[in-house]
Amino acid sequence: EVQLVESGGGLVQPGGSLRLSCAASRFTLSTFWMHWVRQAPGKGLVWVSHINGDGSSTNYADSVKGRFTISRDNAKNTLYLQMDSLRAEDTAVYYCFAAEGHWGQGTLVTVSS
Amino acid sequence: QTVVTQEPSLTVSPGGTVTLTCASSTGTVTSSYYANWFQQNPGQAPRALIYSTNNKHSWTPARFSGSLLGGKAALTLSGVQPEDEAEYYCLLYYGGVWVFGGGTKLTVL
Repeated sequence: EVQLVESGGGLVQPGGSLRLSCAASRFTLSTFWMHWVRQAPGKGLVWVSHINGDGSSTNYADSVKGRFTISRDNAKNTLYLQMDSLRAEDTAVYYCFAAEGHWGQGTLVTVSS
Repeated sequence: QTVVTQEPSLTVSPGGTVTLTCASSTGTVTSSYYANWFQQNPGQAPRALIYSTNNKHSWTPARFSGSLLGGKAALTLSGVQPEDEAEYYCLLYYGGVWVFGGGTKLTVL
């Protein structure tokens, strides 16, 4: 069974940094565009960023541009999201998902002092 | 600021048919928006249902179908089952970035 497993979430102070990971098993990450999506508590889904198969093309939502960086290590079959200058409004469950349809279970990021 | 609009809530009877729509503030939604549809149950991760307007994933039940309807992307459920009660989100492509709709809460009653 294909699995995408996010990790790296937690509690961080405003202005701090976190790096999220999305590890794939029984699934070759390099074949697909990959996305990060977030969902604040009780709110809807918000697209954050995507990256193409070889990592040469990336895009970001305006709300995170210049603060977040998406990357991938195809040798490790893992997707990343480096989040810097975190704000309270970045508090959310962060999901990775593949263009072919599989989603991870999410990792919670809480930005609070 | 691009806004994608969905019906906040819809109610359907078991066995009935319902259509959820997804409108863009930029105008008519076409196949170039590569509309995706997702289902989310409370406390769970979303599940992909439809990609590129009308293509089903291998796990998508046959009763779900995607289309373009009246300038919007649409998701039609035919023969609704009680387990279809969930939140549904559309996702549209804007030449480099993607935008989710606000979601439709579907109640089966």
